[in-house]
Amino acid sequence: TQLLEQSPQFLSIQEGENLTVYCNSSSVFSSLQWYRQEPGEGPVLLVTVVTGGEVKKLKRLTFQFGDARKDSSLHITAAQPGDTGLYLCAGVGGTSYGKLTFGQGTILTVHP
Amino acid sequence: NAGVMQNPRHLVRRRGQEARLRCSPMKGHSHVYWYRQLPEEGLKFMVYLQKENIIDESGMPKERFSAEFPKEGPSILRIQQVVRGDSAAYFCASSPQGEVAGNTIYFGEGSWLTVV
Repeated sequence: TQLLEQSPQFLSIQEGENLTVYCNSSSVFSSLQWYRQEPGEGPVLLVTVVTGGEVKKLKRLTFQFGDARKDSSLHITAAQPGDTGLYLCAGVGGTSYGKLTFGQGTILTVHP
Repeated sequence: NAGVMQNPRHLVRRRGQEARLRCSPMKGHSHVYWYRQLPEEGLKFMVYLQKENIIDESGMPKERFSAEFPKEGPSILRIQQVVRGDSAAYFCASSPQGEVAGNTIYFGEGSWLTVV
């Protein structure tokens, strides 16, 4: 069974601060996805990383896939209150189809 | 989330009743996945279906839960004789093909089941 450990579980910061969320596993994933989920809604895909060592940027968000494809990080620069939400990482394993293994999620609160 | 339609959005059932959750995938998508999100937990894979076929049901509880995706109509997740522990958000997702590495699967907005 593949597991993804996501940390921290909760993050409360002030507007303008930087933060990093981590996802770690002992398993190799063919790709890894990051989602954001608002209360009462479904997860919305932010990015997919496929290649070991890959870095993708989405405005103030930087996503990195570990060289061994076992871990990933999400870094937010100069966080804003609009970044508040639940962030989820999800790994695509050996089956390659949509059987995603999700981390437990990080609840981010950015205070004005 | 655009395009994957789930209903009902909210459902309240008494213990012992049946719950039926429906999912219409995005247009042109023939692959459907069901996930469950228990309170304070991440999403857990339940089942993967193509039209008229169950491909992977390794995440489905052994009893009371079933899923189908008929040739015509939406995919249905059925929970018989619900118990309080079934209270959760159930998400459906779809993709145009089975291979999703590097591709996108699209989630619906979920169906929130409350068992009283």
